[in-house]
Amino acid sequence: DQQVKQNSPSLSVQEGRISILNCDYTNSMFDYFLWYKKYPAEGPTFLISISSIKDKNEDGRFTVFLNKSAKHLSLHIVPSQPGDSAVYFCAVPGSARQLTFGSGTQLTVLP
Amino acid sequence: DTGVSQDPRHKITKRGQNVTFRCDPISEHNRLYWYRQTLGQGPEFLTYFQNEAQLEKSRLLSDRFSAERPKGSFSTLEIQRTEQGDSAMYLCASSKTGGNQPQHFGDGTRLSIL
Repeated sequence: DQQVKQNSPSLSVQEGRISILNCDYTNSMFDYFLWYKKYPAEGPTFLISISSIKDKNEDGRFTVFLNKSAKHLSLHIVPSQPGDSAVYFCAVPGSARQLTFGSGTQLTVLP
Repeated sequence: DTGVSQDPRHKITKRGQNVTFRCDPISEHNRLYWYRQTLGQGPEFLTYFQNEAQLEKSRLLSDRFSAERPKGSFSTLEIQRTEQGDSAMYLCASSKTGGNQPQHFGDGTRLSIL
């Protein structure tokens, strides 16, 4: 039973355009959501988070949107840069703050 | 600012052997987590320490797996009698206590079972 789903294994966008990565979750009790970025041969790196009391959180080129009624969150990257090419994971914390991750989306930004 | 350090980066061993991995968290972080990641999947939680106390274990952590965090500093993860299915990337993460502190990950130990 996947609590967090990322249905798009891959996404390609042109440099300078917007990248939109999506994540769906099943449990309406989740109160905090995170996005991590992972380059090959490196560990995941925390990118941005959002509390369930908000519907938007912005940090530079990265914005996360939360739609609680749809149990859906999305990560927008604008403008996309080649260095953004990585695997992006959404994650939710459990009772011990252990993270449950989605399966990830490979983003490729084409120059 | 030193991040989370994991050793070794790669481990190749024969089926049935025991292996041990080490994680050195960020120094002021009380919480330490172990995860396992296989190809095409996100990291999966294995176990969690608050200081030296192991407070949570996943069902994934079979009795062949054991983790310790003596004195609440570094941690070790041991796998006994390794099996083919243990081949994966083993990730360690640490965080401060309190609220929704983000976890900082090491670069992992890649285990390959021959």
